[in-house]
Amino acid sequence: AQRVTQPEKLLSVFKGAPVELKCNYSYSGSPELFWYVQYSRQRLQLLLRHISRESIKGFTADLNKGETSFHLKKPFAQEEDSAMYYCALEGTDKLIFGTGTRLQVFP
Amino acid sequence: NAGVTQTPKFQVLKTGQSMTLQCAQDMNHEYMSWYRQDPGMGLRLIHYSVGAGITDQGEVPNGYNVSRSTTEDFPLRLLSAAPSQTSVYFCASSLTIGGEQYFGPGTRLTVT
Repeated sequence: AQRVTQPEKLLSVFKGAPVELKCNYSYSGSPELFWYVQYSRQRLQLLLRHISRESIKGFTADLNKGETSFHLKKPFAQEEDSAMYYCALEGTDKLIFGTGTRLQVFP
Repeated sequence: NAGVTQTPKFQVLKTGQSMTLQCAQDMNHEYMSWYRQDPGMGLRLIHYSVGAGITDQGEVPNGYNVSRSTTEDFPLRLLSAAPSQTSVYFCASSLTIGGEQYFGPGTRLTVT
């Protein structure tokens, strides 16, 4: 089965603390994985995809095929990072989203 | 470019009423999809389309119909609204399935 699991519904950290948003996937073959973000009162938008190997807004995500994970990391959280984050997997003919993790960054 | 537009922004329906949520994109994207967003459930795919004239069911298609007569438009029809369909609905489009998805602003639907 093709599936994305985000085990944490809510992650709360203080400004300056490291952040890791967990994402695990189930897929046979080479997966294409993404992170999408929804800031308050804004549209969902692409944050990053694993094939581009970019760092966007200080966030990075590494594909670990052995652990079937694609965790999103940032070394020092900022208040403006507070948002809803979704991990997504390109399935056979559709994009499959996880249930999302709300990140709260306190001052 | 307007990107992905959705109307209406808000809607209240009574149980049993029908309505159509409109979605349009002006980026010439082949792939369009409808999601519903519920607390704790994340984004769930309702229906999707890989091109004009082609639609398919997603994870939660019951109670919804779609059609894709043009590349630009992908309306979602609620046949007989139920309280369980109270949700925020998002339309999205992309060049390909694995391409960047562009989302609309969402429609907040309440069914009483």
